Amino acid sequence: AQKITQTQPGMFVQEKEAVTLDCTYDTSDPSYGLFWYKQPSSGEMIFLIYQGSYDQQNATEGRYSLNFQKARKSANLVISASQLGDSAMYFCAMKSFQKLVFGTGTRLLVSP
Amino acid sequence: EAQVTQNPRYLITVTGKKLTVTCSQNMNHEYMSWYRQDPGLGLRQIYYSMNVEVTDKGDVPEGYKVSRKEKRNFPLILESPSPNQTSLYFCASSLTGQNNSPLHFGNGTRLTVT
Repeated sequence: AQKITQTQPGMFVQEKEAVTLDCTYDTSDPSYGLFWYKQPSSGEMIFLIYQGSYDQQNATEGRYSLNFQKARKSANLVISASQLGDSAMYFCAMKSFQKLVFGTGTRLLVSP
Repeated sequence: EAQVTQNPRYLITVTGKKLTVTCSQNMNHEYMSWYRQDPGLGLRQIYYSMNVEVTDKGDVPEGYKVSRKEKRNFPLILESPSPNQTSLYFCASSLTGQNNSPLHFGNGTRLTVT
């Protein structure tokens, strides 16, 4: 069965600091994709970053990077230099066997 | 502008009254999917479609129907809504059903069934 686990219901970080949001996954599909989405209070789902299971290097997109540790089945999101606008829910998701499965999310609050 | 459009954004209805939530994408995407989001449960897949006339059940399909007669449209039908279908619904699409193809989401439909 496919499963995504996000163990941090909430995280706090000060502006300009880095923060890591944890995500572990489980699938028997050897070829899978890992995604992070941001959901601000307005409700829309915004795609942030993608990591493929065969990718050798960790993905980066601006201030977002994905710390991919395949042996540990983890795909943590690192946000560098946090900004107030980063306050939102963050969802880790995995696409395998043509289905996208989400974790329960982590609420990030960035304080001034 | 490339986008996934859902309508309506908000809907309040009564138990048993059939309703349809529309979803349309203008990106020529093959893959489309419906999710519901409930507190503490994240997003759960209801149905998905790999292409026209091809649909499959997701994790929580009971009480829902879909159709994919055209590539751009993927409506979600609740034949007899019940209060446990009160939720935030998202339609999403991706270029293909491949695992490296990210989903793009609509803005969501908040449904309340009384």
